[in-house]
Amino acid sequence: KQEVTQIPAALSVPEGENLVLNCSFTDSAIYNLQWFRQDPGKGLTSLLLIQSSQREQTSGRLNASLDKSSGRSTLYIAASQPGDSATYLCAVLMTTDSWGKLQFGAGTQVVVTP
Amino acid sequence: DAGITQSPRHKVTETGTPVTLRCHQTENHRYMYWYRQDPGHGLRLIHYSYGVKDTDKGEVSDGYSVSRSKTEDFLLTLESATSSQTSVYFCAISGRQSGDTQYFGPGTRLTVL
Repeated sequence: KQEVTQIPAALSVPEGENLVLNCSFTDSAIYNLQWFRQDPGKGLTSLLLIQSSQREQTSGRLNASLDKSSGRSTLYIAASQPGDSATYLCAVLMTTDSWGKLQFGAGTQVVVTP
Repeated sequence: DAGITQSPRHKVTETGTPVTLRCHQTENHRYMYWYRQDPGHGLRLIHYSYGVKDTDKGEVSDGYSVSRSKTEDFLLTLESATSSQTSVYFCAISGRQSGDTQYFGPGTRLTVL
């Protein structure tokens, strides 16, 4: 059974510092991995989707890397801002799954202090 | 933002009553999902749909049923609500392929007293 883990559960950084968020998974037979952001009381917003054949994906200040063999993905957020404060979740889709059933980590709660 | 709405946004009900939550999309996406989010458990899949009248169970389907009679609507029903079903419920959609990005609705906060 796939286990998706995000450590740490919470993180606080001063504004301007780079954020590094980790996601690990136990079964490397993944189809893709997605990173989401969730603001308090809101739904999830998709940030990046990285296919299993890719090593990284970039969007603006966000960069996600994927090392399938070691079961890890890292989300980098450059030059953090208070507006980046949110919970960040990763989710994997298995190659054996035909219907898009994502398996989520518990998330990392990020606070960026001014 | 993807066109997904959920109704109601908040609901308080009593144990034993039936409850139906609605997810409506305007994107004409094939795949729709219902998740619940609970502290300590994260997001867990309840049911999903891969087309009109095509649905299947997810990880935590006991006590829930779904229906999809139109592409745009996916209903989640709690036949007889229990306190353990107090949660935040999210609907999600994805496009032509099941591996596409999933887009989430704003959520429904359900409290069962």
